Amino acid sequence: NAGVTQTPKFQVLKTGQSMTLQCAQDMNHNSMYWYRQDPGMGLRLIYYSASEGTTDKGEVPNGYNVSRLNKREFSLRLESAAPSQTSVYFCASNFGSNQPQHFGDGTRLSIL
Amino acid sequence: GESVGLHLPTLSVQEGDNSIINCAYSNSASDYFIWYKQESGKGPQFIIDIRSNMDKRQGQRVTVLLNKTVKHLSLQIAATQPGDSAVYFCAERRVGGSNYKLTFGKGTLLTVNP
Repeated sequence: NAGVTQTPKFQVLKTGQSMTLQCAQDMNHNSMYWYRQDPGMGLRLIYYSASEGTTDKGEVPNGYNVSRLNKREFSLRLESAAPSQTSVYFCASNFGSNQPQHFGDGTRLSIL
Repeated sequence: GESVGLHLPTLSVQEGDNSIINCAYSNSASDYFIWYKQESGKGPQFIIDIRSNMDKRQGQRVTVLLNKTVKHLSLQIAATQPGDSAVYFCAERRVGGSNYKLTFGKGTLLTVNP
């Protein structure tokens, strides 16, 4: 049982490049989330999907887009990467809002 | 603005001792709290949660205490082991906004000395 799987684990981009971070969960969870984690700051929510077919903005959505491809998969896209988006990105999922979120091991993204 | 915070950024204990990690929250309307453990290079791992209608909840070697009067949350780890060394986060769900949003503290680094 893999839980939440994120790909890639590491990525280096140049400013202006685009890329998509992939996330898949095998726990039959309804809700999925994307966070970023920066030194000295708590996890910050970028976007979330409460259920298949819905997405909503979190605390820091600017510069990102998401797609809930199906119940299992939730992707995060950077259309034109900026150095300020250098961070560790975590995907999480849960059954619903009153259940704990379970996290993947992150994608470490550097933008030069 | 309101935020979930921690009293101590670092905590160092001897193996076998009990550890207590504290968290202060400022939103009295928060109704759900979670503790996570994060090891270096890994994602946060769920430890235990508690809802606001409870004062205490126990798991395996861990206990979470919730004091709503002073808006304080603590995680107690019994017989701390070297494998417990990690950063510990608390998170709260604030009623009034989206029920899906959690607010995370910055974390406390726990170091267990053998």
